[in-house]
Amino acid sequence: DQQVKQNSPSLSVQEGRISILNCDYTNSMFDYFLWYKKYPAEGPTFLISISSIKDKNEDGRFTVFLNKSAKHLSLHIVPSQPGDSAVYFCAASAGRSQGNLIFGKGTKLSVKP
Amino acid sequence: KAGVTQTPRYLIKTRGQQVTLSCSPISGHRSVSWYQQTPGQGLQFLFEYFSETQRNKGNFPGRFSGRQFSNSRSEMNVSTLELGDSALYLCASSLGSSGDTQYFGPGTRLTVL
Repeated sequence: DQQVKQNSPSLSVQEGRISILNCDYTNSMFDYFLWYKKYPAEGPTFLISISSIKDKNEDGRFTVFLNKSAKHLSLHIVPSQPGDSAVYFCAASAGRSQGNLIFGKGTKLSVKP
Repeated sequence: KAGVTQTPRYLIKTRGQQVTLSCSPISGHRSVSWYQQTPGQGLQFLFEYFSETQRNKGNFPGRFSGRQFSNSRSEMNVSTLELGDSALYLCASSLGSSGDTQYFGPGTRLTVL
């Protein structure tokens, strides 16, 4: 049973527009959420995180929104650039098991020039 | 600061053999987690070590084991290799407290023939 779900395997966006990547979770014990970006044959690169005590965190072009009641988070990239093309993973952890990240299956983002 | 390093980067083994993978965390990081990435299952947590002790464990058979040394470097061992063990093995390090971000290495690509 998947505790973290990314229901869109792929997303295509025009350069300069907004990219919105979505993630749903089922475990109410999760209290820390992260987004990673991954290129083929490389390890995931940390992008941005959010604690469950917040509902928004912003870092440059990247903003993560958390809706605890809906158990939903999203990553907004504005404006999207061709270099953002990669697979994006949503991950979550629960306090005492913070070393154990539960990952979604990823969404492949393609940003077209 | 140097990132997480993993050796070797690529490895080819045959069924029944055993393999040891190595991970050097970011300086100052005391937690090391291991993950397996396969096309079908995505990123799955293997185990986490903190201060030379296994702190968390995922749902993998006992053929998968690990250890951590006093300098926080970690090794992962897989015995009696099976074809299904072919995967990208990723190591991540963090300071080790709740809410700390995990930073990933480039991974070791293991192919079992």
